[in-house]
Amino acid sequence: QLQLQESGPGLVKSSETLSLTCTVSGGSISSSSYYWGWIRQPPGKGLEWIGSIYYSGSTYYNPSLKSRVTISVDTSKNQFSLNLSSVTAADTAVYYCARISLATGNFDYWGQGTLVTVSS
Amino acid sequence: QSALTQPASVSGSPGQSITISCTGTSSDVGSYNLVSWYQQHPGKAPKLMIYEGSKRPSGVSNRFSGSKSGNTASLTISGLQAEDEADYYCCSYAGSSTWVFGGGTKVTVL
Repeated sequence: QLQLQESGPGLVKSSETLSLTCTVSGGSISSSSYYWGWIRQPPGKGLEWIGSIYYSGSTYYNPSLKSRVTISVDTSKNQFSLNLSSVTAADTAVYYCARISLATGNFDYWGQGTLVTVSS
Repeated sequence: QSALTQPASVSGSPGQSITISCTGTSSDVGSYNLVSWYQQHPGKAPKLMIYEGSKRPSGVSNRFSGSKSGNTASLTISGLQAEDEADYYCCSYAGSSTWVFGGGTKVTVL
């Protein structure tokens, strides 16, 4: 059974860079059938797609966040990572990693999510 | 890329049917048959309930069904049960390997 697990600091200072890693187990991140993505959810609010990456390293970002987001992949560790720079309180959210099926365009496996709080 | 529009809340009594709408544009919902729906209970990760507009993953109750007409997709829950009380989100492929979510709908079972 595929599992995804987010890891990283739960507290980040304003103006600094938020960094999270998603570790994939029970399957290979190098599959040609999937993208791997990041989604966030501010407290009490809805879901927002942040961006996605293919195992080859091709990346796709939400235009509203593109200037601050970098997603990378490490196939040797079966992991992919998110960097979000110049964070503010508005970036406080639960961050989820997920698998995206290329054939059906849906997010079929999700991590449990990790809360990141931006402090001043 | 604007969020898809969903009603903030929908409610129904046990056994009734409810429908949640999800309105996008001709650049997302209207252009692709790649709308998915997710159920999220408090403190939990979203769960895929419908994909490609109307298909159910294995293990999802057939009380959940999806459809689309033009720029609007819909999720119907039939035979409403207490366990269906949750937040529901639609999501659409928006071209160029990008995705957009709806604002979410809180379903209350009366």
